[in-house]
Amino acid sequence: NAGVMQNPRHLVRRRGQEARLRCSPMKGHSHVYWYRQLPEEGLKFMVYLQKENIIDESGMPKERFSAEFPKEGPSILRIQQVVRGDSAAYFCASSPGDGGNTEAFFGQGTRLTVV
Amino acid sequence: AQSVAQPEDQVNVAEGNPLTVKCTYSVSGNPYLFWYVQYPNRGLQFLLKYITGDNLVKGSYGFEAEFNKSQTSFHLKKPSALVSDSALYFCAVRAWTGGYQKVTFGTGTKLQVIP
Repeated sequence: NAGVMQNPRHLVRRRGQEARLRCSPMKGHSHVYWYRQLPEEGLKFMVYLQKENIIDESGMPKERFSAEFPKEGPSILRIQQVVRGDSAAYFCASSPGDGGNTEAFFGQGTRLTVV
Repeated sequence: AQSVAQPEDQVNVAEGNPLTVKCTYSVSGNPYLFWYVQYPNRGLQFLLKYITGDNLVKGSYGFEAEFNKSQTSFHLKKPSALVSDSALYFCAVRAWTGGYQKVTFGTGTKLQVIP
C-alpha cells in the first residue's frame, strides 16, 4: 500500500506563472489536508477536502489559491500568478475518514521555489 | 477555536538524558491528540496518539506521551535521548468544530540532542 504521494517533489516557477501541486492520498482515504511550511517554521493549515467537497478552506488565501479533490484522480493545489512569498514546502496529508481515532499520513511535500 | 501550544521553539538535551517536549491544547469537547516527527527535507511521520483509555501512550522509537486532562497537556517524553532523535516535533489535536473534526498543529519544537 503506497503512502501519500506528492508530485513534483521540487517545483521552480517564475513570478507570475502558475503552480500545480498534486497529492494522491493513500488507498482508501477520502480526506485530504494541505499545509504550508515556511523555512524554519511550523505547519500552517490551508484547506481540508473530502472527495468533491471543500470542508474548510479557512487557511487558504482568498486570491490566487484554489484546491480541489475530484471524484477521480489526485487532489490539486493550484497557485496562480505566483510571487516570491509563495516559496515554501507544501505538504499533503490524508486520512480514511472523519473518525477522530485515525491519524493523518503525510506525503514528502512539494518544495516550491519562485524565482 | 481549538489551539495547540508548543511553548519551546527548541529543546537541547545531552545524549542519554531524558527528554521532554511540551504540548498544551485548548478544545471544546474531548480531544484526540497526536505527535509527529519531521526530519530535514522530509514529511511528517506519525509517532503516537491518544484516543482514550490509559493516559500514558507508548509510540515509535521509544517515545511516550502522557495525557493530562486537568492540565490540558500531552507532553512527549523519552527516557534516554539519542543523537538520531534530533528533529522537529509537532503536536496536533483533533476535535469537533463546526460540524467536522478539525486537526490543528502546534508550531513545532526543534529537538537537538548533543553527543
